[in-house]
Amino acid sequence: QVQLQESGPGLVKPSETLSLTCTVSGDSISRYYWSWIRQPAGKGLEWIGRVYISETTDDNPSSGSTNCNPSLKSRVTMSLDTSKNQFSLNLTSVTAADTAVYYCAATALYWYFDFWGRGTLVTVSA
Amino acid sequence: QSALTQPASVSGSPGQSISISCTGTSSDVGNYNLVSWYQIYPGKAPKLIIYEGTKRPSGISNRFSGSQSGNTASLTISSLQAEDEANYYCCSYAGSHTLVLFGEGTKLTVL
Repeated sequence: QVQLQESGPGLVKPSETLSLTCTVSGDSISRYYWSWIRQPAGKGLEWIGRVYISETTDDNPSSGSTNCNPSLKSRVTMSLDTSKNQFSLNLTSVTAADTAVYYCAATALYWYFDFWGRGTLVTVSA
Repeated sequence: QSALTQPASVSGSPGQSISISCTGTSSDVGNYNLVSWYQIYPGKAPKLIIYEGTKRPSGISNRFSGSQSGNTASLTISSLQAEDEANYYCCSYAGSHTLVLFGEGTKLTVL
């Protein structure tokens, strides 16, 4: 069974970059699609994007291929570190609207999320 | 694109059955057999309980079932138990541009 654990700063200042890492255990990072999903307080879930190893990934397989929510695409960067079995999210130019619980999740096939982390709260505040 | 529409809350007594609807459009729920449902307890990792509209992952009770008609998917929980009290979210593939949409979430209260 795949297990995921999010880590990163719990507080980020406005206009700065939110950086999170998800550590994967129980299986190889090359076998799944890896997503970031967030939930602002009192609101629903929002898919941020996903990163994965594909046949079309460039010469550096650790960079990963990505798909992204169009509404966040201009601010999102995601990557993989196969040596550490980790993947990461960078969200630039954050505002208070980016305050949320951030989850990482694994997809084995198609577009559903088989395994999730417990989430980490990130607050954007000066 | 807007989130999928779910009722904010539903309730039922132990032993009863309840259903939670998830309404989208012909661009998402109605166009793909890729609706999934998740159960979330506060502070816990979300759990996949239904995928591809009607399928249950290994280990998920058969009290949970999914269905779909047109642009609306539904999650039914039969023989309600106190442990079913949680938040439930639907999700659908929404095509090559939007990709993924979640529902607004439904809080289930077991009376």
